[in-house]
Amino acid sequence: DADVTQTPRNRITKTGKRIMLECSQTKGHDRMYWYRQDPGLGLRLIYYSFDVKDINKGEISDGYSVSRQAQAKFSLSLESAIPNQTALYFCATRAGRGTGELFFGEGSRLTVL
Amino acid sequence: SQQGEEDPQALSIQEGENATMNCSYKTSINNLQWYRQNSGRGLVHLILIRSNEREKHSGRLRVTLDTSKKSSSLLITASRAADTASYFCATALQNTGFQKLVFGTGTRLLVSP
Repeated sequence: DADVTQTPRNRITKTGKRIMLECSQTKGHDRMYWYRQDPGLGLRLIYYSFDVKDINKGEISDGYSVSRQAQAKFSLSLESAIPNQTALYFCATRAGRGTGELFFGEGSRLTVL
Repeated sequence: SQQGEEDPQALSIQEGENATMNCSYKTSINNLQWYRQNSGRGLVHLILIRSNEREKHSGRLRVTLDTSKKSSSLLITASRAADTASYFCATALQNTGFQKLVFGTGTRLLVSP
């Protein structure tokens, strides 16, 4: 089983719908991240969390919210999806006292029509 | 704007040749990391170089860091078709206590047999 699991892997939805992307990890890491990837723009940080009670906005948090339900679970929500949120979303984890290496999930491809 | 920017955006070489890609960044860093992404997949960590290091090797990978020029390079020697992927640099930003990694826009490498 993958260390960092994202669900769903693919989702097509309509404008205005609420969407939740879920991430769970078995690495025991306290730090979790959500990134968005668009062609030509690389990865941009949406939100990050250092522990269950510590959640921080990244570069592009508008239109998104997150919930850290447990150390192992970090979900990303789009309250009212819009077409320009069509992208590939990645969850990543890192050990708080580790080398700084991020471990990524396989991604969730979201299409908003 | 992106903290890190890779150059070139795309690189096409033959098997056996060396591939060099560069990364420039803007602010003080704690470390710089390189990641690889196969098409549509999650990113995988390749190598980390700390701000007090100038060069690091890992197998066929060689990374250099010049903090005075705020730049890094990744050299892949004796490239193989399996090295075809996108490569990203990521920097740990000083103003986040080096806890936030910001990614560049990536270099797409195509290695032809």
